Amino acid sequence: DQQVKQNSPSLSVQEGRISILNCDYTNSMFDYFLWYKKYPAEGPTFLISISSIKDKNEDGRFTVFLNKSAKHLSLHIVPSQPGDSAVYFCAASSAGNKLTFGGGTRVLVKP
Amino acid sequence: DAGVIQSPRHEVTEMGQEVTLRCKPISGHDYLFWYRQTMMRGLELLIYFNNNVPIDDSGMPEDRFSAKMPNASFSTLKIQPSEPRDSAVYFCASSLREAAFFGQGTRLTVV
Repeated sequence: DQQVKQNSPSLSVQEGRISILNCDYTNSMFDYFLWYKKYPAEGPTFLISISSIKDKNEDGRFTVFLNKSAKHLSLHIVPSQPGDSAVYFCAASSAGNKLTFGGGTRVLVKP
Repeated sequence: DAGVIQSPRHEVTEMGQEVTLRCKPISGHDYLFWYRQTMMRGLELLIYFNNNVPIDDSGMPEDRFSAKMPNASFSTLKIQPSEPRDSAVYFCASSLREAAFFGQGTRLTVV
């Protein structure tokens, strides 16, 4: 039973344009959501997070949106840069620090 | 801070041998997690500790797997005996609040 799903395994975008990554979850007890970025042969790196009491959080070029009624969150990267090419994981937690991860979306930013 | 440190980075072993993976969490973090990443199952949580006490080991696949945290600065994940299907990248992560910080991972190959 996949509680966190990223339905797009890959995304290709032109440099300077917006990248939009999507994530759906099924567990209504999740109260905190995070995005991680992963380069090959490295561990996931924390990118940005959002609490369930908010619907938007912004940090520089990265913005996360949360739609609780739809159990959906998204990550916007504007503008996209070649260094953003990586695998992005969505994660969620409930009442604690245990994280459940989605399957990841591979992003390729073309120069 | 050096971040979460895992050793070894790579391990190749023969089926039936004992394998021990090591992790040093970030100083001051009170949660420690062991994750495994495979193509089939993505990033899955094996076990996590809070203040050195195992909280949830429901993700540990079999009795062949065991984990310990003898003190706040060290944890091990042991597989005995190892099997080819244990081949994966194993990540250790630590956290103080919701965001977990990952080590570089140990790539385990069992032949």
